[in-house]
Amino acid sequence: DGGITQSPKYLFRKEGQNVTLSCEQNLNHDAMYWYRQDPGQGLRLIYYSQIVNDFQKGDIAEGYSVSREKKESFPLTVTSAQKNPTAFYLCASSIDGQGRTGELFFGEGSRLTVL
Amino acid sequence: GDSVTQMEGPVTLSEEAFLTINCTYTATGYPSLFWYVQYPGEGLQLLLKATKADDKGSNKGFEATYRKETTSFHLEKGSVQVSDSAVYFCALYTGTASKLTFGTGTRLQVTL
Repeated sequence: DGGITQSPKYLFRKEGQNVTLSCEQNLNHDAMYWYRQDPGQGLRLIYYSQIVNDFQKGDIAEGYSVSREKKESFPLTVTSAQKNPTAFYLCASSIDGQGRTGELFFGEGSRLTVL
Repeated sequence: GDSVTQMEGPVTLSEEAFLTINCTYTATGYPSLFWYVQYPGEGLQLLLKATKADDKGSNKGFEATYRKETTSFHLEKGSVQVSDSAVYFCALYTGTASKLTFGTGTRLQVTL
């Protein structure tokens, strides 16, 4: 089945450690996105990529990094510079690089907890 | 900038009650409007959308009409079920920003 796979589903990290969240899609979509979800704040865009080897900062990129070396993969690294990393992270994709349809397909999310 | 305002939850209803979740927006240009739903422990799924004024999106018994004059896109369902319990997000897209802007979400709880 086509879709978006995020891993791990749950992750615990000690303060000061970097951690990488995986996102893989087999929908052949050009664009991929990372959102952060916190209670009462909805979804906030961290980074997005409209095409392979290119990505742009979203609204809350500080303390995060990404890469887009392959069309199907868009990993997110939460660095030690991120002051409040405990959150639910959602990866999404859309069929075209400009996101003109506005329709995103989401993975099931990864919940990161910093101990 | 673009923004979406949703009514705060949780909204608690009995099964078969009528549902309205309010959504208003501010945007430059002419946005497309969306409702996404998030079931417990899952990612978001597109529920319905409308791309121009007066369009009505519908799916699974849910409806929303794009009202340009009131800048609103309220979600309605005539008779909710327990299985509709979820968080509902209103969102807009404009070509200017080339990204979706989400509201904060409204949690719906339906009881027997």
